[in-house]
Amino acid sequence: AQRVTQPEKLLSVFKGAPVELKCNYSYSGSPELFWYVQYSRQRLQLLLRHISRESIKGFTADLNKGETSFHLKKPFAQEEDSAMYYCASETGGATNKLIFGTGTLLAVQP
Amino acid sequence: DAGITQSPRYKITETGRQVTLMCHQTWSHSYMFWYRQDLGHGLRLIYYSAAADITDKGEVPDGYVVSRSKTENFPLTLESATRSQTSVYFCASSDGDRAREQYFGPGTRLTVT
Repeated sequence: AQRVTQPEKLLSVFKGAPVELKCNYSYSGSPELFWYVQYSRQRLQLLLRHISRESIKGFTADLNKGETSFHLKKPFAQEEDSAMYYCASETGGATNKLIFGTGTLLAVQP
Repeated sequence: DAGITQSPRYKITETGRQVTLMCHQTWSHSYMFWYRQDLGHGLRLIYYSAAADITDKGEVPDGYVVSRSKTENFPLTLESATRSQTSVYFCASSDGDRAREQYFGPGTRLTVT
């Protein structure tokens, strides 16, 4: 079965430290991949998608097909980055379905 | 973001009762989805709909029923609520050129006692 794996449930860093949230996917081929973020008491919102190759709020994510990974990175964490982060992958076909990882809670300490 | 809404935002119900969670979107998106969010499981798809009158099961459909008579509405019904259905439920929609990008509602926190 297709899977999206986020190995860390919690990642705690200090303000100004680099951040890397790990994501591995099992979809064969070239899937469309996303990172969603959920700030406290807010709805999930799209942070970035790999086909856009953009940087949002200082975050970037690089697709590594060899390692089937899509890790989210930021060079200098800010306290306002504290949130739950979900990696998601398309499931293929024409269904528009996504499969989500279990999420990583990022806590940025002052 | 006001384009997709959910009601109620909070609900407490008893085991065995039927409860319906509402989802409404104003974008005329063709796709709509229901997820449940649980600690340790992340987001799991319950049901989805590709268009009005077209629905299909997701990963965890047991105990849930959906309907979609109108494009803008996608209600989720728990026919006989169980404590294992205590969760936060999110509705989402997607369409257009960025078809796989999903837009989420604010969520409904359901507690089954």
